[in-house]
Amino acid sequence: QVQLQESGPKLVKPSQTLSLACSVSGDSISSGGYYWSWIRQPAGKGLEWIGRMYTSGSTDYNPSLKSRVSISVDRSKNQFFLRLSSVTATDTAVYYCARYYCGDGSCRFDSWGQGTLLTVSS
Amino acid sequence: QSELTQPPSASGTPGQRVTISCSGSRFNIGSRTVSWYQQLPGTAPRVLIYNNNQRPSGVPDRISGSKSGTSASLAISGLQSEDEADYFCAAWDDRLNGVAFGGGTKLTVL
Repeated sequence: QVQLQESGPKLVKPSQTLSLACSVSGDSISSGGYYWSWIRQPAGKGLEWIGRMYTSGSTDYNPSLKSRVSISVDRSKNQFFLRLSSVTATDTAVYYCARYYCGDGSCRFDSWGQGTLLTVSS
Repeated sequence: QSELTQPPSASGTPGQRVTISCSGSRFNIGSRTVSWYQQLPGTAPRVLIYNNNQRPSGVPDRISGSKSGTSASLAISGLQSEDEADYFCAAWDDRLNGVAFGGGTKLTVL
């Protein structure tokens, strides 16, 4: 059974770049049919899709974040990463990594990390 | 503002049937499949429904999903206290070129 685990700093200063890692176990990040994704949730609010990366390395990003975000992969470590630049207090949220599986004619987030709270503050 | 619209809250008593709606457009629900997620307090979401009405293994059959046109619904029958959680719908949005989530519905078991 696949497991995902986020890691990274808990506190980032405004205008800096946040970097988070997602470690994947129980499956290869190079397996076909999966998009490795990032989602965030401000306290008390809903879910916001940040972006996804296919096993080929192609990426899609939320247009509202596209100018500041990048998702990358280290296949040797079975990890993928999120970088978000020029952060402000509005980027404070719980960040989840998740596996987006597309098969059987549909797509869904079938596995999630536990989430990591990232606070933007000076 | 979310591309998918859900009521902010819903409630029911134990044993009742409750439904949660998710309204979208031809760019998302109208042309794509819908998935539903349950988020218990302090935990990550988990998928309850995919492909509009399919349940992953481990999800009880008292939970069901449906879709008609540009709207979808999640139904929970035989309501239990453990169902008290936030529920989110999701679908690919062709205009966003990304995944759209509903704003979430907080279900309270009275």
